[in-house]
Amino acid sequence: RKEVEQDPGPFNVPEGATVAFNCTYSNSASQSFFWYRQDCRKEPKLLMSVYSSGNEDGRFTAQLNRASQYISLLIRDSKLSDSATYLCVVSPLSGTYKYIFGTGTRLKVLA
Amino acid sequence: GAVVSQHPSWVICKSGTSVKIECRSLDFQATTMFWYRQFPKQSLMLMATSNEGSKATYEQGVEKDKFLINHASLTLSTLTVTSAHPEDSSFYICSARDLRSVNTEAFFGQGTRLTVV
Repeated sequence: RKEVEQDPGPFNVPEGATVAFNCTYSNSASQSFFWYRQDCRKEPKLLMSVYSSGNEDGRFTAQLNRASQYISLLIRDSKLSDSATYLCVVSPLSGTYKYIFGTGTRLKVLA
Repeated sequence: GAVVSQHPSWVICKSGTSVKIECRSLDFQATTMFWYRQFPKQSLMLMATSNEGSKATYEQGVEKDKFLINHASLTLSTLTVTSAHPEDSSFYICSARDLRSVNTEAFFGQGTRLTVV
């Protein structure tokens, strides 16, 4: 079983739609959680951190369920510019702090 | 946010030659940097953790004699792909974290696209 699992997609949605991505992780010792966005042939860029209480940043909402070891990202009112690959990332809080990446979920927002 | 600069952004080299990739933290000190490799349509795979002033820690299956890592200062880590072969062609990305900060975010370099011909 992979340490971080995501549905690779692609998710093709019309502009204005709401879309949700899920991610599961296997290491219960994971302490930090993030969603990164990666455009084609570019480096990943931080979209948002994920906090235990859930957090929102504009059209983006992230949730964490520690009991189920599950993270989600909700995008409302999708824009064409949201088309990208969304990477789920987990990290321990101690030790080397290394990041473990999911395979990413491809999103394509259609006009 | 903090800036991590990676150079070169792309390189084409002949099979059997060596290629050096640099990763610099521009506005913070990075005691630890990470090197990733990404093949097309796959996720980033951690290759090694680069520790300033000591040996790198390699992930299982990564040949330490092929992928040489040097982290001689708090702002610079280098990855040298030795005796490169076409199967080493990939997107290599470094990242760094300011471990003195409570913010656990990692910052990524722009990546280096290596093509071995």
